[in-house]
Amino acid sequence: DSGVTQTPKHLITATGQRVTLRCSPRSGDLSVYWYQQSLDQGLQFLIQYYNGEERAKGNILERFSAQQFPDLHSELNLSSLELGDSALYFCASSPGNEQYFGPGTRLTVT
Amino acid sequence: AQSVTQLGSHVSVSEGALVLLRCNYSSSVPPYLFWYVQYPNQGLQLLLKYTTGATLVKGINGFEAEFKKSETSFHLTKPSANMSDAAEYFCAVRSITGNQFYFGTGTSLTVIP
Repeated sequence: DSGVTQTPKHLITATGQRVTLRCSPRSGDLSVYWYQQSLDQGLQFLIQYYNGEERAKGNILERFSAQQFPDLHSELNLSSLELGDSALYFCASSPGNEQYFGPGTRLTVT
Repeated sequence: AQSVTQLGSHVSVSEGALVLLRCNYSSSVPPYLFWYVQYPNQGLQLLLKYTTGATLVKGINGFEAEFKKSETSFHLTKPSANMSDAAEYFCAVRSITGNQFYFGTGTSLTVIP
């Protein structure tokens, strides 16, 4: 158990819908990263927050957004969902040098 | 920009044989280096990391990796494979000054009984 929690574990929704994925980092970790993992594109970095502020942006679509709240949990919002957004979404928290991954949210868009 | 190359998307070894998973990085400055393992339907788990100091680092489950600056490599090894080692392995780097982690495309390890 990494200490990082993600909810929900599974999510099935239709195209065009909007969903919110939630991540709680390990106690004391200020940094949260979001990743998308799909079979065809591998592990893609989406975005990083540190203590509530956006720090780095990767291959995140404009339809996607994220935020980190004062209690340090983070949410990833995915809107206007497309079939291609079906993937595993991971968050990871970091105390500094390394990352600890959550169990992921499997999103299926039908 | 950093990049990570994992040679061999699939590696098969016999149970009890040596495991060698290759990772090369490109960086003008030696970065921090990591190996992660992912079992089916699970998140990535940190196996080991190199930040500074001894270039041979030992991790969990009997794995170790050696940082070779001259070869820009960080290959993962284990002397004797167990069936439980079958998983996906990811090499990752992070610059010492940056925030972003860069992951390789992963190597799927199969252990043959």
